[in-house]
Amino acid sequence: DADVTQTPRNRITKTGKRIMLECSQTKGHDRMYWYRQDPGLGLRLIYYSFDVKDINKGEISDGYSVSRQAQAKFSLSLESAIPNQTALYFCATSDPRGPGANVLTFGAGSRLTVL
Amino acid sequence: KQEVTQIPAALSVPEGENLVLNCSFTDSAIYNLQWFRQDPGKGLTSLLLIQSSQREQTSGRLNASLDKSSGRSTLYIAASQPGDSATYLCAGALRGGGADGLTFGKGTHLIIQP
Repeated sequence: DADVTQTPRNRITKTGKRIMLECSQTKGHDRMYWYRQDPGLGLRLIYYSFDVKDINKGEISDGYSVSRQAQAKFSLSLESAIPNQTALYFCATSDPRGPGANVLTFGAGSRLTVL
Repeated sequence: KQEVTQIPAALSVPEGENLVLNCSFTDSAIYNLQWFRQDPGKGLTSLLLIQSSQREQTSGRLNASLDKSSGRSTLYIAASQPGDSATYLCAGALRGGGADGLTFGKGTHLIIQP
């Protein structure tokens, strides 16, 4: 099984719908992140969490919300999806300690299309 | 704000050649720099992480260097193979090394011709 699992892998929805993307990890990392990737714009940070009680906005948090349900689970919600939220979304984890400190481990991505 | 630039955006070379991918950053107060590989339809895989106190890191046929004074990092791939075809991204971290301060380049799309 993958260290970082994202569901769904692909989703097509309509404008105005509520969408949740889920992420779970088996790395035991405290730090989790949500990024979106757009052609020509690279990866941009949406939200990040350093532990269950710590949630922080990233570069492009407007229109998104997150929930850290447990150390291993971090979900991203679009309360009312709009077409410019069509993108590839990645969840990632990291640990500030140890030999692999700060190395990001990514999920396989969730491709979201908003019509 | 840290800016990270990767040039060229795309590169195609014959199999067996040694090649260098370039990454430049604007803030020399970099904490660490990571190189990633991304295959189509998949997530990013971390290749190498160089701490600010290091000059280079090696893993197999890959060697990454970091020169803070010039704001540059390079990823050297020796004896390239078709399986090396992918998009390579670099990302520079500022404060604390955490991904909250990580800025990604847009990547170099590499094609190794058999």
